[in-house]
Parts: sequence; C-alpha cells; structure tokens
Amino acid sequence: EAGVAQSPRYKIIEKRQSVAFWCNPISGHATLYWYQQILGQGPKLLIQFQNNGVVDDSQLPKDRFSAERLKGVDSTLKIQPAKLEDSAVYLCASSLGRLSTEAFFGQGTRLTVV
Amino acid sequence: SQQGEEDPQALSIQEGENATMNCSYKTSINNLQWYRQNSGRGLVHLILIRSNEREKHSGRLRVTLDTSKKSSSLLITASRAADTASYFCATDAQNMFSGGYNKLIFGAGTRLAVHP
Repeated sequence: EAGVAQSPRYKIIEKRQSVAFWCNPISGHATLYWYQQILGQGPKLLIQFQNNGVVDDSQLPKDRFSAERLKGVDSTLKIQPAKLEDSAVYLCASSLGRLSTEAFFGQGTRLTVV
Repeated sequence: SQQGEEDPQALSIQEGENATMNCSYKTSINNLQWYRQNSGRGLVHLILIRSNEREKHSGRLRVTLDTSKKSSSLLITASRAADTASYFCATDAQNMFSGGYNKLIFGAGTRLAVHP
C-alpha cells in the first residue's frame, strides 16, 4: 500500500514570497490533515478536510494561508506572503475518517523562510 | 492549542532499561494514540487506546489510560538504541467546529535517547 506522498521535501524562500505544498493521501482515506511542526514542538493542526470539505480550519492563519482538496483526493497548502515565523515542517496526514482515526503521515516539507 | 502535555520533555536511558512517558490532556476524548517520530521524518502510529480501555499492549509497548485523571502513560520495555526518537501522544476528540468529525491533537512530545 502506497503511503502519503508530499512534495517538495525541502523549500527555501525569502520572506514575502509565496510557496505551495502538495499532498497525495492514501487511496480511500476520507480525512486529510495539514499540520505545522515548529522545531522542538509537537504538530499543530492547521486544517482538516473530510473528503473535499473543510471541517476545521480554526487554527489556519487565513490572511496568508489557504488550502484546498480537489475532488476529495490531493491537497495543496499555500502560504502567501510568507513570514520568518512560518519556518517549520509541514506535515500532511490522512485517515479513513469515521471508521478509524489512526493517521498516516507523509515525510513532510521542511520550509525555511529567510 | 496543544491538547496533550507530555512528561518528561526529554529522557536519556541505557539499552535494556525501561522508558516511561506520560501524557496529560484537558477535554473528553474518544481515544488516545501514541506516535513516534524519528529525526527529520514523519510520524508513525504506535498504538491506540479507547476511552473505555484501561491498558493495552503491543510488543514491547504498554499503554495505560486513566480518564478520571485525564492521563496516559507509554512504557517501552527493554529499550534498544533504535527506540531513540520523539514520542507524541495525540487525543482524538469531538471536533467542536464540525458536524461530528473527530480531530487529532498532538502534545509537545518526549525526546527519548537510548544509549548503547
């Protein structure tokens, strides 16, 4: 079974630039999460999708972050414009949803904003 | 905001010793999960314990849950150098922002170092 795929693995941008991350979850998984993990901290939930609908984006900085999940499969997370404090690892995870909340994680994208 | 708080923040032990990590949380949960993260990698699910369970085992892992104290512990027995990683508890709780879907909230983690 293929795991959660994320790209790119690493990204370095200057502040005020924009960046996008891509995630392909495990086939059949209805729930998709985006987490932000700052060095030395636990993952912080940014947004949760159920199929192609957003069920929680309460901690997403909506003035600069946006996310979408097309056709309930792939997802993209965008930051525009980036700030220095956005430097972190962005983790995508998926789960079956109501049947099981065990989450499967991708390798993450390490973003450095300079 | 973080739901779970792990204790200790860091733990250093010798191979063969047992490692115990604790997690406390704030709200009612459906289940509690433990994950491991090796440096620079994604998280890997270790074990899930439901709110109506008190103890669960998986290989060298033993998890306990005390819902009255809102706390859980993860015990790794006979630790190995390969167990060196960060360990996170995650609470699966009702998502107050959505129609019945649960969300997974992680604590700050315990960094475990096992020395040969």
